[in-house]
Amino acid sequence: SQTIHQWPATLVQPVGSPLSLECTVEGTSNPNLYWYRQAAGRGLQLLFYSVGIGQISSEVPQNLSASRPQDRQFILSSKKLLLSDSGFYLCAWSVGAAAGEKLFFGSGTQLSVL
Amino acid sequence: QKEVEQNSGPLSVPEGAIASLNCTYSDRVSQSFFWYRQYSGKSPELIMSIYSNGDKEDGRFTAQLNKASQYVSLLIRDSQPSDSATYLCAVFRYGGSQGNLIFGKGTKLSVKP
Repeated sequence: SQTIHQWPATLVQPVGSPLSLECTVEGTSNPNLYWYRQAAGRGLQLLFYSVGIGQISSEVPQNLSASRPQDRQFILSSKKLLLSDSGFYLCAWSVGAAAGEKLFFGSGTQLSVL
Repeated sequence: QKEVEQNSGPLSVPEGAIASLNCTYSDRVSQSFFWYRQYSGKSPELIMSIYSNGDKEDGRFTAQLNKASQYVSLLIRDSQPSDSATYLCAVFRYGGSQGNLIFGKGTKLSVKP
């Protein structure tokens, strides 16, 4: 069966520090991968999605970036964090006849930027 | 107009009652509809999907879709305290090589023992 791993679970970082969040999927090949952010009192916001190695689409312009160095690995990064980057970050993968349909989420990373 | 709208709640129901969660969407070409459950501090979990008008039942959950009214709902029968969570409505539409899944902000449900 397919599983998705995301780490770390919680992270406290100072403003201006770098960020690296990692996500890996097991039990499937060539998944569509996604990074979402859920800020307090707000809905799920799609940040990036990837349909294959090295293929990244950005939905929201910001100081975050994403990379997909391997088929089942998705990384979210920032060179300098802002206070507004605080939130619950979720990695997800999808199945279905159309890309982006049913999503299965990782356990999430609660990021606090202080 | 927001693309996917939900009443934020909280919706409070007594144990054993029916909880009714509602969602409206703005894009008529939307084709797939999903309900996710999210416990506090946890990630969303897919609980229902519905693609055509009418009702779809899965255990205590029933999803209802009315495309003419652009309305989708989730009924939870015999509500249990363990159903207390935020329920996210998500709407998908195909577009080019990559579709787009839009989430509502969620409705918080509280089931009182």
